[in-house]
Formats: sequence, C-alpha cells, structure tokens
Amino acid sequence: DVKVTQSSRYLVKRTGEKVFLECVQDMDHENMFWYRQDPGLGLRLIYFSYDVKMKEKGDIPEGYSVSREKKERFSLILESASTNQTSMYLCASSSDRANEKLFFGSGTQLSVL
Amino acid sequence: AQTVTQSQPEMSVQEAETVTLSCTYDTSESDYYLFWYKQPPSRQMILVIRQEAYKQQNATENRFSVNFQKAAKSFSLKISDSQLGDAAMYFCAYRRFMEYGNKLVFGAGTILRVKS
Repeated sequence: DVKVTQSSRYLVKRTGEKVFLECVQDMDHENMFWYRQDPGLGLRLIYFSYDVKMKEKGDIPEGYSVSREKKERFSLILESASTNQTSMYLCASSSDRANEKLFFGSGTQLSVL
Repeated sequence: AQTVTQSQPEMSVQEAETVTLSCTYDTSESDYYLFWYKQPPSRQMILVIRQEAYKQQNATENRFSVNFQKAAKSFSLKISDSQLGDAAMYFCAYRRFMEYGNKLVFGAGTILRVKS
C-alpha cells in the first residue's frame, strides 16, 4: 500500500523562523500536494507539483514556497513563519491516471507562537 | 472557480441507523470526478467513494452510497447501518481534468458523531 510520510506530527515554531515541512512518498507518484486544513474552511491547496522541479501555485500560496528536487520528496517552506500560519498541514500524492485517488500523510500540526 | 459546499457542520446518527451528508458544488465543466473522504481522529484521510460525472449510475461501496444529481450539482453521501467506526470528519471533494495532475477542491467538512 502507498505510504506518504510527513516528518513531524507536531511542530512548534516562533514567528519569523524559517520552517521546513517534509513529505516523502514511496509509490513513484508523479503528483504531490500540500494542503492546509483549518476548522470551517476544509482543506485548501497551497502548492502542488506534477514532476521533479516543477511546481504550481494552489489557491493560497502566499507566505509559502516548495521544493521538489527528487520525485519522492516534496517540501513545504515557510520563509518567515507568522501566527496566521498555525494550522494542520497535509501532504498528498497521486499517480497521473485520471481517476486516481489522493493518498494522504497523517498531517503536521504546526503552531507558530 | 470551482467551489464545494457542505452545509452541515455537524451531524449525529444512532448506531445501525442511516444518515445522509450533503454536498453541493459549482462548476462549468462537464467532465469531472467527485469524492468523499473520511478523516478519523488519527488524521489519516481515507477515500470512501468516488463518482465519475459522466456516469449516470450512483456509486456504491458496501454501506456507503451516493446520490449524484448532476443537473442540481448535488452529491450526497448515505451511510447505512452506521457503526461507531464511522465517526469522523467527512469531506466532499471535486476534481476536474487538467493537463497535468489532479487538483482537488474540498468542502469545509462535516463532523459525524455516532451514538451507541
């Protein structure tokens, strides 16, 4: 079965810090995604990548950047963390097939103090 | 832009009873997919069921079924014979075909509580 692994389950950072959230998938999937989940807002897409070194902005990319140097790894970067970036971050991957479902990691709960 | 609306922030159901979770979406596309995902307390999102827009027949997976009304842009999830393990947050999601990738748009979610 596909495994999507997020490096941290809980993370506490201070405002202004640079934060890296790591995600690794083991099924050779082309597509990888970063979502944030907030109560009452559901999941919102931050960035996604459909190939190595390719990235596309999602619906809420401001304050974030991403890196995909290898196919299996997709990193989300908060250049200067702010309190409004306190959230649950979910990584997902999928193959390129049209009807393929997303496989999700277990999420990282980030608190920015 | 595509939007997905789940109008029920929270629902409750008695064990063994049936519950229906509502979802509506807005799109100008004719070809797309719809999904229901379940997120239990473990936070691991699990695909419950998917529906292809060009198919008239409603999708069914064991105790889970959908009522897909394309003209009304409605996609509700029915859970029959509810079990304690069904308690979770449920998300409705829409995906349209793109040149690359398969970008999903999610609703705000519905918390389902199951009473014993």
